[in-house]
Amino acid sequence: DTGVSQNPRHKITKRGQNVTFRCDPISEHNRLYWYRQTLGQGPEFLTYFQNEAQLEKSRLLSDRFSAERPKGSFSTLEIQRTEQGDSAMYLCASSPRQGGNSPLHFGNGTRLTVT
Amino acid sequence: AQSVTQPDIHITVSEGASLELRCNYSYGATPYLFWYVQSPGQGLQLLLKYFSGDTLVQGIKGFEAEFKRSQSSFNLRKPSVHWSDAAEYFCAVGARGGATNKLIFGTGTLLAVQP
Repeated sequence: DTGVSQNPRHKITKRGQNVTFRCDPISEHNRLYWYRQTLGQGPEFLTYFQNEAQLEKSRLLSDRFSAERPKGSFSTLEIQRTEQGDSAMYLCASSPRQGGNSPLHFGNGTRLTVT
Repeated sequence: AQSVTQPDIHITVSEGASLELRCNYSYGATPYLFWYVQSPGQGLQLLLKYFSGDTLVQGIKGFEAEFKRSQSSFNLRKPSVHWSDAAEYFCAVGARGGATNKLIFGTGTLLAVQP
């Protein structure tokens, strides 16, 4: 169990640029989640996948955001035309099964700074 | 709507002193309850969870939490704090039933430990 891996750890970009983050979940975890955490706040749910299917998206996930999990393994989160308000820590988590009693295992996050 | 309140934004305790971090939730039924800890620049680590049964649950690093249905609370405690416990602590709720593991987090309590 190597844990959830996120890359890059840090990303600085200029407003208007596109960015992509990658998440590798714990192997054999079929559930994968993306959360966003801004300064002084708890993580906020963005979206989740069961295998390759994206089953739920938050209202926070505007049209500029897109997430994929093409083969049910790693996932990518892309933000197009970044805005300063997108600056945050983006956290990925995975779990082995459905149900609220299956805790989430979090990665160390990707910190995005939009200048 | 589900929500989690952590009334204390910042707490400072002396090393060796006892600790209690407060968490109140709003939910239509008894949710699944979690406490996570986050060190600076890191992801979230699960400390403990409550699903059912004994309302006093034990976690890692000497932490425990007590579920009180009448008060809609799930406070985290530790009898003797160590300097390494300085971090941010998040309470979270998850829905019973349904397929999602989606968690709703509180805004966190930042713990500082004085020597």
